[in-house]
Amino acid sequence: AQSVTQLDSHVSVSEGTPVLLRCNYSSSYSPSLFWYVQHPNKGLQLLLKYTSAATLVKGINGFEAEFKKSETSFHLTKPSAHMSDAAEYFCVYTGGFKTIFGAGTRLFVKA
Amino acid sequence: NAGVTQTPKFQVLKTGQSMTLQCAQDMNHNSMYWYRQDPGMGLRLIYYSASEGTTDKGEVPNGYNVSRLNKREFSLRLESAAPSQTSVYFCASSLPGQGNQPQHFGDGTRLSIL
Repeated sequence: AQSVTQLDSHVSVSEGTPVLLRCNYSSSYSPSLFWYVQHPNKGLQLLLKYTSAATLVKGINGFEAEFKKSETSFHLTKPSAHMSDAAEYFCVYTGGFKTIFGAGTRLFVKA
Repeated sequence: NAGVTQTPKFQVLKTGQSMTLQCAQDMNHNSMYWYRQDPGMGLRLIYYSASEGTTDKGEVPNGYNVSRLNKREFSLRLESAAPSQTSVYFCASSLPGQGNQPQHFGDGTRLSIL
């Protein structure tokens, strides 16, 4: 069965420190994977996507993610958090004509 | 460039009332989607439309109907609202591509059913 799991419901970091948001997937298909960000009272905005090209994907606002097939992971990282990064982040899997959203990780950034 | 526009932004209904949520996109996308977002559950697909004239059920279609009016517009109707349908509803659109195309989202409709 296909699934996507975001391993942390909440992550808290200090401004200027690295961000790591973890996502694992399960699939017998070649997946496409996306990270979206949602700010309060807004829709989801695409950060980056993996669709079987380069395994290290760079996105907007300094975010990047690495597709690791052996670990079935697609973790989102950023070297230095900014206050404006505080939001909810969703990992999304598509494969076999199915799209599955992770439950979300809320990122808190402390001054 | 407006992207995906949803109306209304907020609505309060009484149990048993009906209403239609409107969605329009100006990106010439073939595919359109309706999701609901509930705390801790991510987004769940209600209905989608792969192209004008076609609609298909998603994960949670019960209690909803949809109409793909034309290429731009995709509406969601609640015929007899129930408290369990209190949620935030998002419309999205994308290019065709068997799932490897990103979706573009509206800002949502916050619906409360008393």
